[in-house]
Amino acid sequence: QIQLVQSGPELKKPGESLKISCKASGYTFTDYAMQWVKQAPGKGLQYMGWINTQTGKPTYADDFKERFVFSLETSASTAYLQINNLKNEDTATYFCARLGYYYDGTYYWYFDFWGPGTMVTVSS
Amino acid sequence: DIVMTQSPTSMSISVGDRVTMNCKASQNVGSNVDWYQQKTGQSPKLLIYKASNRYTGVPDRFTGSGSGTDFTFTISNMQAEDLAVYYCMQSNSYPWTFGGGTKLELK
Repeated sequence: QIQLVQSGPELKKPGESLKISCKASGYTFTDYAMQWVKQAPGKGLQYMGWINTQTGKPTYADDFKERFVFSLETSASTAYLQINNLKNEDTATYFCARLGYYYDGTYYWYFDFWGPGTMVTVSS
Repeated sequence: DIVMTQSPTSMSISVGDRVTMNCKASQNVGSNVDWYQQKTGQSPKLLIYKASNRYTGVPDRFTGSGSGTDFTFTISNMQAEDLAVYYCMQSNSYPWTFGGGTKLELK
């Protein structure tokens, strides 16, 4: 069965860096792009961007162009989210989600499988 | 960026109720809207894609409709396990954007 397993919770200080992992299983990793979504405590979902799992090319939403890095370890079917120079406002749960699709002559993409989320707390 | 505005932000409902919530896009997004359900402490789950298509395994009490800028999500016969926050998301223009969510609570 298709699964996305994320790394465990993190407690960091402002200015530090971290790297979250998202390990996929049950499908061919490079057949589907991977998305990242942020959810601050008690808040809604915020789209961060995606990474092409065939080429490794990341694309970031505007709010996530500065300190955020998407990367891959294709041989391990794993996507990574690195956050540099952590700030208090980075405190959130971060989800990876597979970009699935429906085809009826044209492609339609949606987030069909999600990881359980990784909780990140940034506090001095 | 396209802004997705959901209403209401919360609803107090009873089991068996018909529940309707709305999502309005700041510009035309065609039919490129999905609905996700997020229960407390869980990751979101896809229910409806392309405005009105039920995803695999989703009960038929969940329906979506709309196009252009106005979209509606309905639960025809509310069940206790449907208590959650529901989000719309547009995938017409990058960056994809979510609505703020509608939270369903028991009356």
